[in-house]
Amino acid sequence: TQLLEQSPQFLSIQEGENLTVYCNSSSVFSSLQWYRQEPGEGPVLLVTVVTGGEVKKLKRLTFQFGDARKDSSLHITAAQPGDTGLYLCAGAGSSNTGKLIFGQGTTLQVKP
Amino acid sequence: DAGITQSPRHKVTETGTPVTLRCHQTENHRYMYWYRQDPGHGLRLIHYSYGVKDTDKGEVSDGYSVSRSKTEDFLLTLESATSSQTSVYFCAISEVTGLGTGELFFGEGSRLTVL
Repeated sequence: TQLLEQSPQFLSIQEGENLTVYCNSSSVFSSLQWYRQEPGEGPVLLVTVVTGGEVKKLKRLTFQFGDARKDSSLHITAAQPGDTGLYLCAGAGSSNTGKLIFGQGTTLQVKP
Repeated sequence: DAGITQSPRHKVTETGTPVTLRCHQTENHRYMYWYRQDPGHGLRLIHYSYGVKDTDKGEVSDGYSVSRSKTEDFLLTLESATSSQTSVYFCAISEVTGLGTGELFFGEGSRLTVL
C-alpha cells in the first residue's frame, strides 16, 4: 500500500515568516500534486510535478519533487494571512486511472 | 469553476439507515471519485468510476457501494450507516492524461453525521 507522510500536520506562524511542508513516501510516484483547501470547500490544485528533481514556482510558493520521485516539499516565502488553509500532497501511481493517494494534510495558520 | 454539485450538502441520520449521496457533473469527464475526509487522515478514496457502469474499489470501500448509470451522475450509497461513517464526503472528477493522472476537480463536500 502506498502511503504519503506529510509533516508537520499543523503550523502556526507570523506573517512574513518562511515555512516548508514535507511529503515523504517509500514508494515511487509517477507524479505528485499539491492542493490547497479552505474551510467548507473542496481542495483546489496548486501544482503538478512530474520529473524527479523538478522545481516549480508559483509566486511565493516553491514546489520540489525529489530526485527519486518519492518525496516532495512546499516552501512558502514571506507567508501572508491569505496563505492560511489546509495543504495536501497527493501522489499518482503507475495505473492509468487517475487515482491519487493523499497525505494527511498540513493545516497552516498565518497570523497578521 | 468545474461544474460539480453534491447533494445533500448536510445530512444527519441514525445508525442502520440507508444513505445515498449524489454527485452530478456537467463537464463530461470520464473519471469520477468519492473520497472521505477525516481529521488526521487527509482524503481517502472510497470508490471510483472510469466510465458508465464501470466502477472499482478504493482503499476504504467496506460499507459503501456506488453506481454510475449516466456519465454525469455518480451515486455513493451507505446501505446501513454506522457512526464510523460520520465524515465529510467529497466527489471529484478528472480527465486522466497520458501521465496517468490529471487535475482533480472537487465538489464542495457533503457532511454526514450518523448518530
